[in-house]
Amino acid sequence: DQQVKQNSPSLSVQEGRISILNCDYTNSMFDYFLWYKKYPAEGPTFLISISSIKDKNEDGRFTVFLNKSAKHLSLHIVPSQPGDSAVYFCAFQSNFGNEKLTFGTGTRLTIIP
Amino acid sequence: KAGVTQTPRYLIKTRGQQVTLSCSPISGHRSVSWYQQTPGQGLQFLFEYFSETQRNKGNFPGRFSGRQFSNSRSEMNVSTLELGDSALYLCASSLNTGGSYNEQFFGPGTRLTVL
Repeated sequence: DQQVKQNSPSLSVQEGRISILNCDYTNSMFDYFLWYKKYPAEGPTFLISISSIKDKNEDGRFTVFLNKSAKHLSLHIVPSQPGDSAVYFCAFQSNFGNEKLTFGTGTRLTIIP
Repeated sequence: KAGVTQTPRYLIKTRGQQVTLSCSPISGHRSVSWYQQTPGQGLQFLFEYFSETQRNKGNFPGRFSGRQFSNSRSEMNVSTLELGDSALYLCASSLNTGGSYNEQFFGPGTRLTVL
């Protein structure tokens, strides 16, 4: 049962432009929506989160948007930098699931200098 | 502050064997979760331990088990290994103060190869 989908396995963006990563979900019971970034040979690192009662959260170059009616989550990175090249996972958490995270399949972002 | 550590980092086993992986959480963190990452299935939740008790379990067969010690360190065990168990096994810890979202910190993972 695929509750979370990242339909773009890869994305290439020119340095300085905006990177937009997308995620669709089916479970309406999620309370927190997160983005993690993963470099090769390292574990995922937390990037930014948003709770279900909000529709936008910003942290520096990173902004997460939540559209609950469309069950859609997106991450905007602007301006994109070469160090942003990594695999990005959206992840979801329910208050009733304790610490369990449900992850998307990941999008490999490549920033072209 | 030291991060989450996992040992060993790499492991090669043969089918039918069993394996034990270890995870030391960040000091003070009481919740430890385990995930399996494979190319086909992505990151999938295995189980979570809090105060030595399993609080949540993913959809994996009984060959996958775990435990947590009083110092919050955790181990996971896979018995009767199958080729499909080849994966990166990730451990994550959090403070788990209850209520709102608790950031989870991941270790570098253990790469298990089953031949």
